[in-house]
Amino acid sequence: GDSVTQMEGPVTLSEEAFLTINCTYTATGYPSLFWYVQYPGEGLQLLLKATKADDKGSNKGFEATYRKETTSFHLEKGSVQVSDSAVYFCALGNSWGKLQFGAGTQVVVTP
Amino acid sequence: NAGVTQTPKFQVLKTGQSMTLQCAQDMNHNSMYWYRQDPGMGLRLIYYSASEGTTDKGEVPNGYNVSRLNKREFSLRLESAAPSQTSVYFCASSPEGRMNTEAFFGQGTRLTVV
Repeated sequence: GDSVTQMEGPVTLSEEAFLTINCTYTATGYPSLFWYVQYPGEGLQLLLKATKADDKGSNKGFEATYRKETTSFHLEKGSVQVSDSAVYFCALGNSWGKLQFGAGTQVVVTP
Repeated sequence: NAGVTQTPKFQVLKTGQSMTLQCAQDMNHNSMYWYRQDPGMGLRLIYYSASEGTTDKGEVPNGYNVSRLNKREFSLRLESAAPSQTSVYFCASSPEGRMNTEAFFGQGTRLTVV
């Protein structure tokens, strides 16, 4: 079946450092790919998405490119802020809008 | 601008007790979902409702039942709670049940079964 694997955390960074979180997937067909973010005590919210191969999703300085050849959707940000501290989930979109999530990566940004 | 509202936010149950988690959305979305979040496992789908009047099992449906009461509301019932059901439960909705459509999440219900 479909699955999503993302790097384990926590990832601890200093402010203004470069962030990358690896995400790979296994799926039949051509799924859509998402990054969701969960701030402390809150629900998940969409960060960005890509719906077909070579698409690049971007939002709030974050980017991820849908790489079909490597079945990957790595998340990157060039200069993180303390406010980016959160848990980041890579997810794959299935039929009927169901989402298959990775385990989540906690990111901690220190001043 | 409520979005997806879940009640209660916190709950402690004793083993064997029953309870219903409530979820309502005010975005006129067709599809609704229940997920549970456990450490190291991400979110896993319990049940979903692609449209009003339909419900289907997800990845981990055992021990749960759902009701799509109307287009707005989708409840999750635990008939006989077990410690393994200690988790954070999230309700989500989506405009339509398509693989490229964003889901909107509630703030979650933290359930502890003792």
